[in-house]
Amino acid sequence: DIQMTQSPSSLSASVGDRVTFTCRASQSISSYLNWYQQKPGKAPKLLIYGATSLQSGVPSRFSGSGSGTDFTLTITSLQPEDFTTYYCQQSYSTPWTFGQGTKVEIK
Amino acid sequence: QVQLVQSGAEVKKPGASVKVSCKASGYTFTGYYLHWVRQAPGQGLDWMGRISPNTGDTNYAQKFQGRVSMTRDTAISTAYMELSRLRSDDTAVYYCARNKYYADRSTDAFDIWGQGTMVTVSS
Repeated sequence: DIQMTQSPSSLSASVGDRVTFTCRASQSISSYLNWYQQKPGKAPKLLIYGATSLQSGVPSRFSGSGSGTDFTLTITSLQPEDFTTYYCQQSYSTPWTFGQGTKVEIK
Repeated sequence: QVQLVQSGAEVKKPGASVKVSCKASGYTFTGYYLHWVRQAPGQGLDWMGRISPNTGDTNYAQKFQGRVSMTRDTAISTAYMELSRLRSDDTAVYYCARNKYYADRSTDAFDIWGQGTMVTVSS
């Protein structure tokens, strides 16, 4: 199985900050990497697919980059509704695996 | 609108089975794979498997093999996930999610999720 490792597990930031966090795959997954946002008590929401493409309706302050084994999610100008948890997920091969999540907290 | 609506919360005893439903609406049910993902309290997301609503073909994660069964009823656009021999560590929210293929990136992602079904296993 492909292991997905996110870092950091949590970070503190302020409204308006730019934040970047990473996801590393245990083997190359090309660009088969998706990012999801999950708010407490809610289902995950797709933000980025194919490592870099923004899902329809997602604000442009979210962006993704990377290929192979190393990927990043960047949020420019954090908004109050962005303080929550983010997961990466690979769709390169089954079982499709998720990272353990990065929680963005208010500083 | 496109949505997946899941059945309600369940409480089961260890050793029992649970069957969760996921009803699709607003799109062609047989056109998209459906996956099941679970999340234990305070934990991350764990992929369980997928079903082709068109053919009924399934793929299960190794850790659930022998205990999980995914089926569908195309007449009512509903998929089911049954987990047997329940243990306390099966306590989790179970989600169904639609697999969309994005041709612009030649990749797949979960674009629509059900609201989740809480399954509690307790004696």
